Amino acid sequence: QQQVKQSPQSLIVQKGGISIINCAYENTAFDYFPWYQQFPGKGPALLIAIRPDVSEKKEGRFTISFNKSAKQFSLHIMDSQPGDSATYFCAATSYTGNQFYFGTGTSLTVIP
Amino acid sequence: ETGVTQTPRHLVMGMTNKKSLKCEQHLGHNAMYWYKQSAKKPLELMFVYSLEERVENNSVPSRFSPECPNSSHLFLHLHTLQPEDSALYLCASSQDWELGRLYGYTFGSGTRLTVV
Repeated sequence: QQQVKQSPQSLIVQKGGISIINCAYENTAFDYFPWYQQFPGKGPALLIAIRPDVSEKKEGRFTISFNKSAKQFSLHIMDSQPGDSATYFCAATSYTGNQFYFGTGTSLTVIP
Repeated sequence: ETGVTQTPRHLVMGMTNKKSLKCEQHLGHNAMYWYKQSAKKPLELMFVYSLEERVENNSVPSRFSPECPNSSHLFLHLHTLQPEDSALYLCASSQDWELGRLYGYTFGSGTRLTVV
């Protein structure tokens, strides 16, 4: 059973546009939600993370929006750049858990 | 270059071969992990080592055998693999296993394994 569902599978955005990637979960025990960014030939790298006590977290052009009641969270990339082209993974874990549950990834392409 | 180094970067092996993947970290982390990454699938946790002791084994077939000789090195020994084992194998480390989620994981670039 997939613990974290991610969409879309792929996304093409014009340079300067907003990229939005969505994730949903069922386990209400999850209390930590990171996003990882993976460039071709590289391993995933932690990009930004949020806890459910806040509804939004922003770091530069990257923002996580969190909707606890809907059990959904999303990554917004403002002013998307070609250098943002990568695969993005959402993940979730719980305080009592000992592993992350990852989404299936979204391949983002930002075209000039 | 990431603080986690994996070798080799690419590996092609026959189903009867025996090979090993190597992971090395110089971050002073106490926990190390093996993940399997297949196309269009979530990252799949295979093994977790904390302070050189295996603490998690997620129902991985015995043809995969991990080894952690010290806190800086992690191996994944492979034998009698199947074509469906072809994937990207990622090594990761974190400062602490139980608190790894607070600090995030540092991933290596992976070994692209092809079983023929």
